[in-house]
Amino acid sequence: DTAVSQTPKYLVTQMGNDKSIKCEQNLGHDTMYWYKQDSKKFLKIMFSYNNKELIINETVPNRFSPKSPDKAHLNLHINSLELGDSAVYFCASSQSGQGFGEKLFFGSGTQLSVL
Amino acid sequence: QQQVKQSPQSLIVQKGGIPIINCAYENTAFDYFPWYQQFPGKGPALLIAIRPDVSEKKEGRFTISFNKSAKQFSLHIMDSQPGDSATYFCAARAGGGSEKLVFGKGTKLTVNP
Repeated sequence: DTAVSQTPKYLVTQMGNDKSIKCEQNLGHDTMYWYKQDSKKFLKIMFSYNNKELIINETVPNRFSPKSPDKAHLNLHINSLELGDSAVYFCASSQSGQGFGEKLFFGSGTQLSVL
Repeated sequence: QQQVKQSPQSLIVQKGGIPIINCAYENTAFDYFPWYQQFPGKGPALLIAIRPDVSEKKEGRFTISFNKSAKQFSLHIMDSQPGDSATYFCAARAGGGSEKLVFGKGTKLTVNP
């Protein structure tokens, strides 16, 4: 069983389209994240949710909207896609609390290509 | 502004060599320093981590050295193998309940047979 699974693995779309990436974790964790990895492999946090509540919201364009229907799911919707949005998007999860919150479990990524 | 500076960007060693990857930070509020390993097409996975109250941590062939006064830490891979070829990221997290990990820019390690 995959611990953190995200779909789709590849997403190719035209500029201006709206797309969503879904993420689910079966680890029982209470915190989930979206990270963006650019073409130079730089990993940057975008959002974090704890028990469905947004706790980290980096300076991300408001075209990006995360949604957490429950603590096992965190989806990412992107409106009006731009060329610069092309990247690999990683979902991750962790368990908050002393001694827990540090270890992130990452999904295998969604490679988004905007043409 | 990059909070964790990682070097080198890439590294090539022969099998059995000891690659060393270095990271430096400025924020003294950081209290947790993990290293993540990423293979092509996969997400990063936690390799080893250290807190600033110890100067060294070893797990198998992987060792973190930590210099609190210099605000630097490094990853050493003993007896490196071709299977260690991957991208390695150092990271840091501020204390006080923050869940935010800040990553270095990564080091692509190639271990030749």
